This record gives sequence, structure tokens and C-alpha cells, in this order.
Amino acid sequence: GAVVSQHPSWVICKSGTSVKIECRSLDFQATTMFWYRQFPKQSLMLMATSNEGSKATYEQGVEKDKFLINHASLTLSTLTVTSAHPEDSSFYICSARVSSLSKNIQYFGAGTRLSVL
Amino acid sequence: AQSVTQLDSQVPVFEEAPVELRCNYSSSVSVYLFWYVQYPNQGLQLLLKYLSGSTLVKGINGFEAEFNKSQTSFHLRKPSVHISDTAEYFCAVSDEIGAAGNKLTFGGGTRVLVKP
Repeated sequence: GAVVSQHPSWVICKSGTSVKIECRSLDFQATTMFWYRQFPKQSLMLMATSNEGSKATYEQGVEKDKFLINHASLTLSTLTVTSAHPEDSSFYICSARVSSLSKNIQYFGAGTRLSVL
Repeated sequence: AQSVTQLDSQVPVFEEAPVELRCNYSSSVSVYLFWYVQYPNQGLQLLLKYLSGSTLVKGINGFEAEFNKSQTSFHLRKPSVHISDTAEYFCAVSDEIGAAGNKLTFGGGTRVLVKP
């Protein structure tokens, strides 16, 4: 099956610093990747849709200058949380959609737990 | 716009007993339906999906779900659970003919706690 690798799995940073999270599709090409945020004991909330070679599409209420998304290749998308603050602490999960006829099946990374001190 | 409702936030169940997790959705167009499982501090793993064809879908780990269009439901079942089935389960939908990206809409999740 399709494998999505997300790195790091856990990161602790000081308030005001920036953190980059990587999402890689290991054995397939992903024209579209998605970034989600999950608060404790809650569901996943879509933050943005990332298409290779173009600007990401952000969901309403998500600050694009705060959460920078880059999808420079068919196997890599990155999410950078800029000037992180404690309220940005959360579980961030990426997913990738296979570029061939996949009928909307998304494969998920293992997630990144961000703790901002 | 689509929405997904998982009626039970928590379901305690004894080992080897059956379990059913309820999922209802609303959408103005035809949808694809999914169940995902999330173990603690991990991402989501696809359990099963309904795309078309038979309304009874079998997935991994002995799970199955039935698509009921008239009731707009996609309930998940397992006849006999194991301790290892303790996890969070998410129902999700996406539209068949969607805008670029075909986004998934998730339900609130159901936490299954299997007791010995």
C-alpha cells in the first residue's frame, strides 16, 4: 500500500520560533497533499490543500502567513508554523492522494505533535 | 456542503462482543464514504471504503460497513472485537464530483474501549 512519511513525529519549541514539518510520499507520486490539525479528543480539521507546483488553498479561518505550505515536488510537501505560540500546540497530520485514478483515497502520515512552550 | 455525524462519542465494549459504530452523513451530491482508525499518537489508517457497487463493504481487521443511501448512513460493524481494537474511529465522506482536491469531511470520531 501507499506509504506517507511525516517528520518529525514530535517537536518541542520555544514561543516565537518557526517549525517545519515534512510530509513525503514514499512509493507513489502525490499531486495533492492535505494538511490537517487535530486537537485533543477531537476530529481532524482540514487546514489546507496543497497541489504540486502551485499555491496551497487554505480553509476559511486558517492564516496562510502563519502556516506556510510548500509543495515543490510530487513527493514532498512541507508545513512551516511561523512564529509559533502555545495556542499552535496541536497534532498536525498530512495526507497524500495518489495522482492516478484513486477515487479520493487519501493516505495519512503518522502525525506530528507540536508543543510550543 | 457535506457533514458527517457520528452519534456515539464513546463506545465501551467487552472483548469478543460485537460492536457497531454509527455514521450518518448529509450531502447534496453522491459521495464516497470511508472509515479510518487512529491508534494513540498515530495517523489515520484506512479501514474500508465505499466507492460504488455492493453496499456491504468488507475491510481490514474483520470490519465491515453497509452503505444505506435512503438513510444516508454508513455504519461500521465487527462481530467480535479484540483488545487491540481499542482506538478512535472516524467516518469520512468526499464528493464524487468535487472541486479540485476532493476534500474529506470527517465526523467527530468514536472512541472504542474494549474491556477484557
